[in-house]
Formats: sequence, structure tokens, C-alpha cells
Amino acid sequence: ELKVEQNPLFLSMQEGKNYTIYCNYSTTSDRLYWYRQDPGKSLESLFVLLSNGAVKQEGRLMASLDTKARLSTLHITAAVHDLSATYFCAVGTGTASKLTFGTGTRLQVTL
Amino acid sequence: DADVTQTPRNRITKTGKRIMLECSQTKGHDRMYWYRQDPGLGLRLIYYSFDVKDINKGEISDGYSVSRQAQAKFSLSLESAIPNQTALYFCATSDLSAGGSEQFFGPGTRLTVL
Repeated sequence: ELKVEQNPLFLSMQEGKNYTIYCNYSTTSDRLYWYRQDPGKSLESLFVLLSNGAVKQEGRLMASLDTKARLSTLHITAAVHDLSATYFCAVGTGTASKLTFGTGTRLQVTL
Repeated sequence: DADVTQTPRNRITKTGKRIMLECSQTKGHDRMYWYRQDPGLGLRLIYYSFDVKDINKGEISDGYSVSRQAQAKFSLSLESAIPNQTALYFCATSDLSAGGSEQFFGPGTRLTVL
């Protein structure tokens, strides 16, 4: 059974600081997705990582994938309050396009 | 207009009632999914469908059933609702031909079972 673990589960950080969210998974996969969810809202796709060594950046967020270590990271640079949300990683397996989600990291950026 | 819509957005029901949650999409995607979200547990897959004739159970299908009435419509039913089915339910779609299997989510239905 595939397990996807995120840490930390909760992160409080000051504006301007850098931090990294980690996503570990237990079985082989080369498809990793990051989503953002604002309170009471739906999930918004942030990044799609489809190969070992893939790196994608959008604004203050950068995601990377190491399939050999079964690890993805979401790096936040110079955090701003607007980044406050819950971030989920999800791992794709098989041909069925099934996703297994981590439990999420709630990010709170304080002024 | 939203590409993936869900109705109702909020629903309060009583234990033992049968209810249906509906999902429609205008993205033209062939694959559709139903998830539930509980605090601290992330999203868990209930059912998924590749096309109108293909329905598959996810990890938590007990107590639920689905119907794929058309490529664009995928309904989730709770046969006899119970309080621990209180959750936020999301429908999602993906496109086989696009590669990458990225899923796009609807706005969610908040269900409360009393």
C-alpha cells in the first residue's frame, strides 16, 4: 500500500523567511503533484513533476522531485502572507491515473 | 463558467437517508473521480471512472455507489447516510490524452449527516 507522508504538518513562518516542505512516498513513482487549498475552497494545481530531477518554479514556490529517494520538496522563498494555505502533495501510480494524497501541510505566514 | 461543477454545495441530512451528490464537467475529460476530505486525513479516493462503462472502487468505497450517466456526469450516492460520512466531497477529472494525469477539482460539497 502506497503511503505518502508530508512534513511538517503545520508550519508557521514569518514573512520574508525561507522554508521547505517535504513529501516522502513509499513505492516507486515518477509522477508527483503539488496542490494548494485555501480554507473552504477547492484544490488548485501548482506543479506537475514527471521525471527524476524535475524542478519547476512559479513565483516564490519551487518544487523538485527525486524519484530515487522517493522525495519531493516544495521550497518557499521569502514568504508572503498570500502564501498562507494548505499544501498537498499527491503521488500518481499505475495506469489508472490514481492519486494518493499526503495529509497536507498547513502553512501560516505571519506579518 | 467553472469547468467542474458540483451540486449541491452544502447538504445537511439525517442518518439513514439516501442522498446523491452530482458532478458535471465541461472539460471533455474522460476520467472522473470522487474523493472525500476529512481533517488531518487528506483526500481519499472513493470511486473512479475511465468512461461511461468503466467504474472502479477506490480505497474507501463501502457505503457509497456511483453512476456515470454520460462522459460529463458522475454521481455519488450514499445509500444510507451515517454520521461518519460527514465530510467534504470533491469530484475531479483528468484527461488520458494529455499525459501526466493531472487532476482538476470541483468546488466541493460539504455534507453533514446528523
